[in-house]
Amino acid sequence: QKEVEQNSGPLSVPEGAIASLNCTYSDRGSQSFFWYRQYSGKSPELIMFIYSNGDKEDGRFTAQLNKASQYVSLLIRDSQPSDSATYLCAVNTGGFKTIFGAGTRLFVKA
Amino acid sequence: KAGVTQTPRYLIKTRGQQVTLSCSPISGHRSVSWYQQTPGQGLQFLFEYFSETQRNKGNFPGRFSGRQFSNSRSEMNVSTLELGDSALYLCASSPGPVNTEAFFGQGTRLTVV
Repeated sequence: QKEVEQNSGPLSVPEGAIASLNCTYSDRGSQSFFWYRQYSGKSPELIMFIYSNGDKEDGRFTAQLNKASQYVSLLIRDSQPSDSATYLCAVNTGGFKTIFGAGTRLFVKA
Repeated sequence: KAGVTQTPRYLIKTRGQQVTLSCSPISGHRSVSWYQQTPGQGLQFLFEYFSETQRNKGNFPGRFSGRQFSNSRSEMNVSTLELGDSALYLCASSPGPVNTEAFFGQGTRLTVV
């Protein structure tokens, strides 16, 4: 079992819709959770982090964490074509090590 | 505030050679992590340094090594290069010391021929 799992996609949504990206992790001791966006040919860019169970909102982005289910998600409201990218879920296991999922490719159709 | 700076941006090396990559973290950040990114394997954790100490290491052979200097700048070295080492090597800096968000540099694209 991979430590951090994401659906590779591609996930295709129409402009203005909500995009829902999901991630599961295997280490119950994981303490912090991150979402990165990576455009083709660029390095990953941090968009959200969450440490506690529940929801955290930042503009059009909402991160959701459920530690009991070992599940993290990212919702993107009012999706725009510029949101088209690969979204990477990352989990810090507490051992000074952050593990990344393989990423979900998102396409937002104009 | 300057971001994470990695040098060089691009590198072409021959099998069997060695290479050293450099990373200057964001000013004030004391934790530096290194990752290898390939199309097939995604982002793979190499190692993490904080205050000149390696605190964790990923599952890579001993040919991959690193160090961190007192000014938090970090270098990683790959000896006896193999074709499979061709990848994007990314450095990420964090304020530290635990569980904080990381900011990536632009990466070094290494091609081994």
